[in-house]
Amino acid sequence: DGGITQSPKYLFRKEGQNVTLSCEQNLNHDAMYWYRQDPGQGLRLIYYSQIVNDFQKGDIAEGYSVSREKKESFPLTVTSAQKNPTAFYLCASSPLTGTSPEAFFGQGTRLTVV
Amino acid sequence: DAKTTQPTSMDCAEGRAANLPCNHSTISGNEYVYWYRQIHSQGPQYIIHGLKNNETNEMASLIITEDRKSSTLILPHATLRDTAVYYCIVRVIGGSNYKLTFGKGTLLTVNP
Repeated sequence: DGGITQSPKYLFRKEGQNVTLSCEQNLNHDAMYWYRQDPGQGLRLIYYSQIVNDFQKGDIAEGYSVSREKKESFPLTVTSAQKNPTAFYLCASSPLTGTSPEAFFGQGTRLTVV
Repeated sequence: DAKTTQPTSMDCAEGRAANLPCNHSTISGNEYVYWYRQIHSQGPQYIIHGLKNNETNEMASLIITEDRKSSTLILPHATLRDTAVYYCIVRVIGGSNYKLTFGKGTLLTVNP
């Protein structure tokens, strides 16, 4: 069935290591988004993309990188340059046209860096 | 640079209507008002959206003021399962500006 899948649900990494979070959608949506959420806080936009091989920095892009080689996939790499990587990461996708282009979210990946 | 303002938290008694306000005084003519909610540690879920007219679906009603500078999400008979953070956002449909920005939302607590 259609949806947006993030994996893994929980991820543990040692400080100084890069880590890549997966996000796949089979909804044929053009736009994809990555957000970070800290305890008790709202969603902060990291990166977003509307088309293959194109993406834009969000409000907190430093220490993160993304790629969009396929329409269905938008992986996020948390690099060692990110000072406080421990957080809940959410991926979303959305159509760009139509009468009801709401965004669909994955169930998130909780990253813990020790 | 969130474009909406919401109260940090609200309480509601089970079975009563929950009215969640949102201020979007700088909304543009082609921006829609969207509402999402997030139950603890899950991804946000779409609730409803509108442009100018009031909207209703099986989950909620959306009342948008005539000047479009504010709106209210109404959950007509709140249940304990409606306890969540509710986000009001504004976004353009179509065009080149597809950025989707969330604020901190309103934590709605439904009490027995």
